[in-house]
Parts: sequence; C-alpha cells; structure tokens
Amino acid sequence: AQTVTQSQPEMSVQEAETVTLSCTYDTSESDYYLFWYKQPPSRQMILVIRQEAYKQQNATENRFSVNFQKAAKSFSLKISDSQLGDAAMYFCAYKGYMNYGGSQGNLIFGKGTKLSVKP
Amino acid sequence: DGGITQSPKYLFRKEGQNVTLSCEQNLNHDAMYWYRQDPGQGLRLIYYSQIVNDFQKGDIAEGYSVSREKKESFPLTVTSAQKNPTAFYLCASSSRGGGYEQYFGPGTRLTVT
Repeated sequence: AQTVTQSQPEMSVQEAETVTLSCTYDTSESDYYLFWYKQPPSRQMILVIRQEAYKQQNATENRFSVNFQKAAKSFSLKISDSQLGDAAMYFCAYKGYMNYGGSQGNLIFGKGTKLSVKP
Repeated sequence: DGGITQSPKYLFRKEGQNVTLSCEQNLNHDAMYWYRQDPGQGLRLIYYSQIVNDFQKGDIAEGYSVSREKKESFPLTVTSAQKNPTAFYLCASSSRGGGYEQYFGPGTRLTVT
C-alpha cells in the first residue's frame, strides 16, 4: 500500500523568506500524481500545486515550486517570498494512476505540516 | 459559481443518534468523496463514489453509510455504531480518471456528546 510521510509537524518562516516543506512517499507504481494542498484556519482545502510523475520538469505556480525526485520518492514544496497569508496546514497527497475503476486512484494524504509565518 | 457546498457548518448531536451530513456539487463531477479529519491524523477516506448508484468503502467506513442517487449529491450518515464520531468532515469531488485534482467543500464540524 502507498504511504505518504511528512516528517515536519511544524515549520516557521520569516515573512519574505523562503521555506521548504518535505514529503516522501512509498509506492511500487511508475505512473502517479502528487499534490500539495493548503488548509488555512478556515479549514477550506485548496490545491497549491500538482506534479505528474512522468514529467521530469518540476511544477511551478507563482511563488510555489516543487522539487520532485522520483528515484528518491521525494516531493518537497518550496514557498518563496513567504507572506502572512501562507500560514496554514500543508498536506502532501499521492494519487495512483486511475483506470476508471478501483481504489488506486484515490488520494492518500500525509499528516500535514503546520506552517507559521512571522511578520 | 461552481463549487461544493456542505451543510451545516457546525452540527451537534446526542450520543446514540444518527446524523446525516449534506454534500452537493455543481461541478458536473462524476466522483465524490468523504473524508474525516482529526488532529494530527491528516485526512482519512470514509467512502467514495465514482458514478451514480455506486459507492465503495474507504479506509474507515465502519459506522458510516452513504448514498449516491444523484450525480450532484453524496450525503453521509454517521450512525450510532461509529464509536468516535466527533470530527471534522470534508466532502470532495473530481472528474474521473487521470490526474484530476479533488475539489473540497468547506467542511462540517460534528460534535457528539
């Protein structure tokens, strides 16, 4: 079974600085997808970024970028120029290749990293 | 605006009562999901449905039931058999197949005393 591990329960960053959140996963599949979700105090889950395993290029969305190391099964999230609004729980999630059936396409979440941003 | 609605935001029940949490989406998504979130546990999958009139148990289905009679709706019933029902419940939906991301509703906080 696939697992997702976020080894940092809490992280802190100074406003305008850069922070990296770690995520590792375990799978025997070669095709899959990885996601980072943000959950602010409102508790609304928001997609931050996604990565297809078959793509070697790391995904980027404005200030958010990932370092995807397929061989190491690592998927870290880098937040540049941190803002107060970035304070939230961040969840890493894995999704297997889904062939229109079965549970392999369901999301598997890590336990999350709580990010604090200091002004 | 397209999205997912969950109601109510806060729900209180006495122990021994069944309670139904509502989830509606107007995104025309085939797949819908229910998650439970507890402190320090991340999100755990309760039930999922990939198409109308079909649903499957997730990792923690005991004490819960669902129905999927309409594409837009996927209500979750927390039964009296659920030993620790107090939690935050999130509903999500997505297109089927591929790497489509899941979109989440705002959640329902259920407290059972």
